[in-house]
Amino acid sequence: DGGITQSPKYLFRKEGQNVTLSCEQNLNHDAMYWYRQDPGQGLRLIYYSQIVNDFQKGDIAEGYSVSREKKESFPLTVTSAQKNPTAFYLCASSILGSSDTQYFGPGTRLTVL
Amino acid sequence: GENVEQHPSTLSVQEGDSAVIKCTYSDSASNYFPWYKQELGKGPQLIIDIRSNVGEKKDQRIAVTLNKTAKHFSLHITETQPEDSAVYFCAASTGGTSYGKLTFGQGTILTVHP
Repeated sequence: DGGITQSPKYLFRKEGQNVTLSCEQNLNHDAMYWYRQDPGQGLRLIYYSQIVNDFQKGDIAEGYSVSREKKESFPLTVTSAQKNPTAFYLCASSILGSSDTQYFGPGTRLTVL
Repeated sequence: GENVEQHPSTLSVQEGDSAVIKCTYSDSASNYFPWYKQELGKGPQLIIDIRSNVGEKKDQRIAVTLNKTAKHFSLHITETQPEDSAVYFCAASTGGTSYGKLTFGQGTILTVHP
């Protein structure tokens, strides 16, 4: 089956720790995105990547980092510098250049204890 | 940058009634407008989208209309069913052949009562 997978589904972190959220897609999409969703709010863009080894900051990149070493993978690290990391994190991908349609993964819920 | 406003924030209807959710956008260069449905604890799923070269698009019980002059677009769901209950998000993008940033509305919680 083609699609986007995110792991883990739930993640708990102690304050001061870095954590990495996984996102993998087998849709052969060039572009990948990370969004943050807080209760009662829309999705806010953290980082995006159009090609391997290149990525750009979105609207709320502070306290986050990413890498894009492979086309299929776009992991997100939530660092200890992120002051309020508890949220639902969504990864998405799209075909670059032919459509803006973004397809989302199932999400990872991060809770800071 | 682009700003997308979505109304209402909550919508409650009886099964079989119609539901309408409206969004306005600020950037006249926006040309792609998707709608997503998100069920509790899951990722958003694209349900319909429209591009600026058309004014209306239908897919069974779902339709989207676009008014470029007024810079607003709407989602129409007819003959609503309990399984339509979810959070619906609109979004707008400038699109094109390069990266098109999606700006999302705040979401509408739709509840369909049996």
